[in-house]
Amino acid sequence: SQQGEEDPQALSIQEGENATMNCSYKTSINNLQWYRQNSGRGLVHLILIRSNEREKHSGRLRVTLDTSKKSSSLLITASRAADTASYFCALEPGAGSYQLTFGKGTKLSVIP
Amino acid sequence: ETGVTQSPTHLIKTRGQQVTLRCSSQSGHNTVSWYQQALGQGPQFIFQYYREEENGRGNFPPRFSGLQFPNYSSELNVNALELDDSALYLCASSPRDNYGYTFGSGTRLTVV
Repeated sequence: SQQGEEDPQALSIQEGENATMNCSYKTSINNLQWYRQNSGRGLVHLILIRSNEREKHSGRLRVTLDTSKKSSSLLITASRAADTASYFCALEPGAGSYQLTFGKGTKLSVIP
Repeated sequence: ETGVTQSPTHLIKTRGQQVTLRCSSQSGHNTVSWYQQALGQGPQFIFQYYREEENGRGNFPPRFSGLQFPNYSSELNVNALELDDSALYLCASSPRDNYGYTFGSGTRLTVV
């Protein structure tokens, strides 16, 4: 099964700056989801974007999807120290298959 | 909403033993999935259950098996434990397609 690849693997920014993480994939998808994970704990669902959508917002989060380039980006604006976590994109292929395939994630550090 | 709860939180087993991990889905969620997450990696899909039937399986050997009960709670059983089975095991539930998943905090399994 295909896997999303996040880029960069690690990102360190100052509090108040914006953070952008990217996800690339290889085959068609039904939707793409972004999750956050703090220190090896459970994942928290952030945003789901369907294959026919191009952009979604949730609070300080903005997700874009370009199916022609098979890529997505997650933008966190005005970052806070509490945003320090690993961020994963997860692909749902659809067509009767609902398993999520995750990449290795982007480790974001927000320095106070 | 009570969220997804997993038990136990930590577990140490000896190679060759068997283990059962438990998950209570969020109320109203009829789909439950299990994931294995090794240190520094993204979660890997083990299998999914929908209304007590297996609805997809990842690349895991038959010694990984599961059940979903009428109340939508679930178990993951692993027989003949190997050292490489040491990982964080995550349970996730969802109410329907295209909705995203709610993850539990996971069970940290160590095989010695």
